[in-house]
Amino acid sequence: AQSVAQPEDQVNVAEGNPLTVKCTYSVSGNPYLFWYVQYPNRGLQFLLKYITGDNLVKGSYGFEAEFNKSQTSFHLKKPSALVSDSALYFCAVRDEDSGYALNFGKGTSLLVTP
Amino acid sequence: NAGVTQTPKFRVLKTGQSMTLLCAQDMNHEYMYWYRQDPGMGLRLIHYSVGEGTTAKGEVPDGYNVSRLKKQNFLLGLESAAPSQTSVYFCASSHDVIVSTGELFFGEGSRLTVL
Repeated sequence: AQSVAQPEDQVNVAEGNPLTVKCTYSVSGNPYLFWYVQYPNRGLQFLLKYITGDNLVKGSYGFEAEFNKSQTSFHLKKPSALVSDSALYFCAVRDEDSGYALNFGKGTSLLVTP
Repeated sequence: NAGVTQTPKFRVLKTGQSMTLLCAQDMNHEYMYWYRQDPGMGLRLIHYSVGEGTTAKGEVPDGYNVSRLKKQNFLLGLESAAPSQTSVYFCASSHDVIVSTGELFFGEGSRLTVL
């Protein structure tokens, strides 16, 4: 089955510093990878996706992600963190065996301090 | 354009009671999904549907039933609620893979507590 792993339960970063939220994947075939963000008591919002092409994918709110095939990783990055970026971040991979559902990681809580 | 709408947003049940969660989407999406979210466990797929009149089991289907009688609606039923079903439930939808590369659109969630 297609799966992703998020090794960090929480990431803390100071406002203005760069941030990285890690994700590794395990798939058969070419991966379709996604990042979503969830603010408190809200649904999940799509940030970006990797399908094919450039390894650096740009998304919403200044976020980007780097696809690394040799390390089977898809880390989320932002050059300068904002306090408003504090939220729960989910990495996901498309699963063709489940109606093209997304299989999600357990999530990483990002806390940006002033 | 409302997107994906879930009702109700909150519900408290007693063990053994039944209820139905309704998901409605106005984007003419073929695929619809029900997930549950529990702390530290991410989102887990309960059931999904790849078109009107079709449903299939996901990762954690036990204790739930679903129906997709109309393309825009996907219902999740609990026949006899158990405390283990206390969770936040999310509905999502997407275009079929011919049209889309796969992002899902989510509702705002339904928080269910079973006492």
